[in-house]
Amino acid sequence: DSGVTQTPKHLITATGQRVTLRCSPRSGDLSVYWYQQSLDQGLQFLIQYYNGEERAKGNILERFSAQQFPDLHSELNLSSLELGDSALYFCASSVGPGQENTEAFFGQGTRLTVV
Amino acid sequence: LAKTTQPISMDSYEGQEVNITCSHNNIATNDYITWYQQFPSQGPRFIIQGYKTKVTNEVASLFIPADRKSSTLSLPRVSLSDTAVYYCLVGDSGAGSYQLTFGKGTKLSVIP
Repeated sequence: DSGVTQTPKHLITATGQRVTLRCSPRSGDLSVYWYQQSLDQGLQFLIQYYNGEERAKGNILERFSAQQFPDLHSELNLSSLELGDSALYFCASSVGPGQENTEAFFGQGTRLTVV
Repeated sequence: LAKTTQPISMDSYEGQEVNITCSHNNIATNDYITWYQQFPSQGPRFIIQGYKTKVTNEVASLFIPADRKSSTLSLPRVSLSDTAVYYCLVGDSGAGSYQLTFGKGTKLSVIP
């Protein structure tokens, strides 16, 4: 158990819908990262928050947005869903804001299926 | 943006040393290289991280040449439980905004 909790574990929804994925980081971790993993694209970095502020942004679509709340949990919102958004979405957390000397701990992921 | 390249797959016998190389030709000056292990239906798990030369911990070693355009993860005496996908992760701060780039992963199969 990494200490990172993601809910829900599985999600099935229709095209055009909107979903929210939730992540609770490890106790004491201030950074939260979101990744998308699909068979054809591999692990893609989406976005990072550190202590409530956006820290880094990757290949995140405009239909996707995220935020980190004062209690440090984070939500990833996916809207106008398309079949191609079906993937495993991982959240990870770490203590510091940067990559140096930073071990990130990953959750078990949310498997999103868009039908 | 840093691009990473890894072999798609590797096979090894139990007890052998395995070396997996990742090429990252655009890594920025102050960015680190991190390796993760992933089992099916699980999130990636941290193995080791380094900036230059050699780093060793209880499970692996990481070799980084002076030009830092590649790195090699070394797993000593692998066992069946080391069968997994191994990813290198590189930070890239050279494009104006900081990003993290995973390689496509190397599927290691350990044979008894």
